[in-house]
Amino acid sequence: QSALTQPASVSGSPGQSITISCTGTSSDVGSYNLVSWYQQHPGKAPRLMIYEDSKRPSGVSNRFSGSKSGNTASLTISGLQADDEADYYCCSYAGSSTVVFGGGTELTVL
Amino acid sequence: QVQLVESGGGVVQPGGSLRLSCAASGFTFSSYGMHWVRQAPGKGLEWVAFIRYDGSNKYYADSVKGRFTISRDNSKNALYLQMNSLRAEDTAVFYCVKDNRGYSSWYFDYWGQGTLVTVSS
Repeated sequence: QSALTQPASVSGSPGQSITISCTGTSSDVGSYNLVSWYQQHPGKAPRLMIYEDSKRPSGVSNRFSGSKSGNTASLTISGLQADDEADYYCCSYAGSSTVVFGGGTELTVL
Repeated sequence: QVQLVESGGGVVQPGGSLRLSCAASGFTFSSYGMHWVRQAPGKGLEWVAFIRYDGSNKYYADSVKGRFTISRDNSKNALYLQMNSLRAEDTAVFYCVKDNRGYSSWYFDYWGQGTLVTVSS
């Protein structure tokens, strides 16, 4: 159960778009359409932003989108806003009824 | 609205035990699987355990297998995590988390605010 690989930090200016990558293996990300993404503001609980690779829960802005190619999933945030500044975690089903998270990416809005 | 309220955290010595509880409301608790997810101070998220809607199946991360036990009481809308043989590396905020399905969707649609467990002598 090795953690998925995410960049430690990304940044962008208001209005720009950024993409956070999440690299796993053929045993997790590459085998199942079960990647999810979570946003976590400091001192707060995580919030579901994307599930099943690219689906958006009700209430989540359409500025957030998910995609996947092979063993790498991506979260794209368009039209960056100050409130998007947070930590973002990817997560994937890893088989054998287990789940693995990425190490997290700190997003800074410049 | 969905509410998940954890309790039972605190300071415990290495080798000790602690039982976490989670009170659920705002949804039909007995219809959904539930998870525990933890986060060490300043670190990332780590999935800990999952229990199906009826308690029939339970699954654990390798790091806690044999030491932690997840359980639920659907008559009380409550989720539990019994933690034994605690180690310093178990120090974390523990979140009670709702699954989107009864069996498992393997994503987490609602989270509690967490309870801090500190393992220290």
